[in-house]
Amino acid sequence: EDQVTQSPEALRLQEGESSSLNCSYTVSGLRGLFWYRQDPGKGPEFLFTLYSAGEEKEKERLKATLTKKESFLHITAPKPEDSATYLCAVQSENTGGFKTIFGAGTRLFVKA
Amino acid sequence: NAGVTQTPKFQVLKTGQSMTLQCAQDMNHEYMSWYRQDPGMGLRLIHYSVGAGITDQGEVPNGYNVSRSTTEDFPLRLLSAAPSQTSVYFCASSYYPGGSQETQYFGPGTRLLVL
Repeated sequence: EDQVTQSPEALRLQEGESSSLNCSYTVSGLRGLFWYRQDPGKGPEFLFTLYSAGEEKEKERLKATLTKKESFLHITAPKPEDSATYLCAVQSENTGGFKTIFGAGTRLFVKA
Repeated sequence: NAGVTQTPKFQVLKTGQSMTLQCAQDMNHEYMSWYRQDPGMGLRLIHYSVGAGITDQGEVPNGYNVSRSTTEDFPLRLLSAAPSQTSVYFCASSYYPGGSQETQYFGPGTRLLVL
């Protein structure tokens, strides 16, 4: 059964304090791993797609990496506006990419 | 483009009532889906559609019906609401899973409270 586990559940950082969010996954043939950002009261917003182990993608202070078992979202020198819930999701080859499995998310709080 | 729109934003129902959550997209996306989001459980797929006239079940389909008569619209129907269906519902769309653009675009959500 495809599964996604994110840790920690919540993370509190000081502005400028770099850290990483973890996404562990179990899937029968990874089609793609996705990172989304979700602000309170809003729908998820796409950040990155990773397709194969070793792949990395960056956007401003965020960098996503992928191994065969997990993905990390590295946040460098975060700012208060980076506070949000970050969601990880996977699609498997078994479902042809039609079904996306989401993790429960990591709530990030960045204090000025 | 308006992207993915959902109505209503908030709804209160009594147990046993029925209602339809509306979802529309103007990006000519083939794939549309419905999720529910509950505290501590992440997003769970209810139903999805890969094109007009084609729908299939997701992870938690019981108590929900869908249809897809046009590319743009994908309504979600609750036939007899139950308190367990209290949740936030998100509609999403993408060009087509498996293609070069698998990113899902999400609507703003509908908050449903069933008393």
